Amino acid sequence: QVQLVQSGAEVKMPGASLKVSCKASGYTFTGYYFHWVRQAPGQGLEWMGRINPNNGVTNYAQKFQGRVTMTRDTSISTVYMELSRLRSDDTAVYFCARAGIGVAGNGAFDIWGQGTMVIVSS
Amino acid sequence: DIVMTQSPDSLAVSLGERATINCKSSQSVLYNSNNKNYLAWYQQKPGQPPKLLIYWASTRASGVPDRFSGSGSGTDFTLTISSLQAEDVAVYYCQQYYSSPQMFGQGTKVEIK
Repeated sequence: QVQLVQSGAEVKMPGASLKVSCKASGYTFTGYYFHWVRQAPGQGLEWMGRINPNNGVTNYAQKFQGRVTMTRDTSISTVYMELSRLRSDDTAVYFCARAGIGVAGNGAFDIWGQGTMVIVSS
Repeated sequence: DIVMTQSPDSLAVSLGERATINCKSSQSVLYNSNNKNYLAWYQQKPGQPPKLLIYWASTRASGVPDRFSGSGSGTDFTLTISSLQAEDVAVYYCQQYYSSPQMFGQGTKVEIK
């Protein structure tokens, strides 16, 4: 079945970097853009950016520019989100999602990963 | 950026009664060339990722019960649960996908009265 499976929970020190993976299965990997969304404890959903799996072109939310890098490995149908210079307020659940319904990379997110809990603490 | 604002922040509704959530965008998300509103609704239960309920403002996603409906156009949208069930307790988010960043509303928590 169509699914996105993310890597496991992480605990990081402030100032460290984080890399979360998201493996797609059940459909053509290059067919849809991937987006990353995060959710701090008890808070709402925050869009971080997107990646075109065909060519690796990315768009990031201004808030994360310079700290976030999204990449993909088409050979294993996996996208990655790397966040550097972590702070305590980066503590959140990080989700990948497929923009399955839309146009030109923007779309409604029809498939979501299960989420990756990241705790940033000394 | 297109900012999404939902109202109310929370609401309590009796079982079997109607629940209505509003979502307003800071600019139109209606794309004139195809006459589609680039607006989605999601449901999120504790410990789970969001689930797509509605896209194109009024199209139910596969498997979504018909008690969920979406309406509106341009900048003003509504999600209606016609007869609230116990399993509908959740937080609901609207999201625009007209342009990046694809911002979400702040969420509306729906509870049983």
